[in-house]
Parts: sequence; structure tokens; C-alpha cells
Amino acid sequence: AQSVAQPEDQVNVAEGNPLTVKCTYSVSGNPYLFWYVQYPNRGLQFLLKYITGDNLVKGSYGFEAEFNKSQTSFHLKKPSALVSDSALYFCAVRPSGGTLTFGKGTMLLVSP
Amino acid sequence: DSGVTQTPKHLITATGQRVTLRCSPRSGDLSVYWYQQSLDQGLQFLIQYYNGEERAKGNILERFSAQQFPDLHSELNLSSLELGDSALYFCASSVEGQPYEQYFGPGTRLTVT
Repeated sequence: AQSVAQPEDQVNVAEGNPLTVKCTYSVSGNPYLFWYVQYPNRGLQFLLKYITGDNLVKGSYGFEAEFNKSQTSFHLKKPSALVSDSALYFCAVRPSGGTLTFGKGTMLLVSP
Repeated sequence: DSGVTQTPKHLITATGQRVTLRCSPRSGDLSVYWYQQSLDQGLQFLIQYYNGEERAKGNILERFSAQQFPDLHSELNLSSLELGDSALYFCASSVEGQPYEQYFGPGTRLTVT
């Protein structure tokens, strides 16, 4: 069975600094990887996905993620954080023919 | 706005009762997914329907059931409710086939008292 680990419950970063939210996964075969963001009292919003090809994936709101097959990681990054980026971030993996499995989520807090 | 709608937004009910949550997918999406989000369990996949047929099942209790109607809207029925069923219930939809992303509705917050 597939699994996703988000090792940090919370990440704190100052506005304007780069941010990284970590994600590692375990899955059989080639993974489809996703990042979602959840703002308070809202549903999850899709940010980006990795299917195949370039290991660096660009998504919404200036976010990007780097797929590393050898480390089975898919870390979310942004060069310059905004206070409005503060939210709960979920990494998810979906094997071929399977269903989506989410990590526990990482709370990102960006301070002014 | 994802295009996925869910009603009601909030629901408060007593233990032992039965409730129905409703979801309308994005226009053109044939697949509907139901998830439960709670503080202790995180985001758990419950069940998927594709064009009216059950496609995949996750951690769905026997007290819970779902269906997808010809107009593609879906309902999640929760019966014999327990305090532990209190959670946010999300519906998501997608174009069938992978690796398409899922688009989530705003959720229904269920409180069982």
C-alpha cells in the first residue's frame, strides 16, 4: 500500500524568505504526486502535480516542487514566501490504477 | 471556486441519527470521490463513483453508503451516527483517468452530539 510522510507538522518562515515543505512517499511503480493547499474553512485547492518528465514542476501561486526518485521525495518550494501563503499543505500520491493517499499535512506560517 | 458544490455546509445532529450529504461535481467530471477529514485520522478516502458505478472503496464504514445519480450528483449517507463521526466531509471530482487532479468542494462539517 502507498503512503505519504510529511515530517514537519509546522514550518515557520519569514515573509520574503524561501520556503520548503517536505514530503516523502512510498508506492509501487511510478508515482503520480500532488500538492494541495487548504485555507481555513475551505476545501483543498490543487497546486501542482508530477506525472513524468522534468523533475521540477511549476504550479499555482509561484509554487514549485522537485521530484527526486532516488530519495522518494517531492518537496514543495517557493523562492519568496508571502504572508498569504500561510495555510495547511498536503502532499498526496496516487499509484497507477490506485486511489489518492494524502499525508497528514504541514501547517505553513509566514510571518510579516 | 473549484466548481464542486456541497450541501449543507454545516450539519448538527444527535447520535443514532441518519444524515445525507450532497455533492455536485464540476461540469463534465464523471468521477466523484468522498473524503473524511478529522484531526486524529487526517484526510481519509472513503469511496469513488464513476458515471454512476462504484469504482473504488477506501476506509468507509458499513454504516456509511454512497451513490451517484444519472445527473452525476452524489450523496453520502451516514447512519447510526456516533460521536466519532464528527468531521469534515469533502467531495471531489475529476475527469476520469489518471493522472488527472481532483477538485474539491468546500466540505460539509458534521457535528454529532
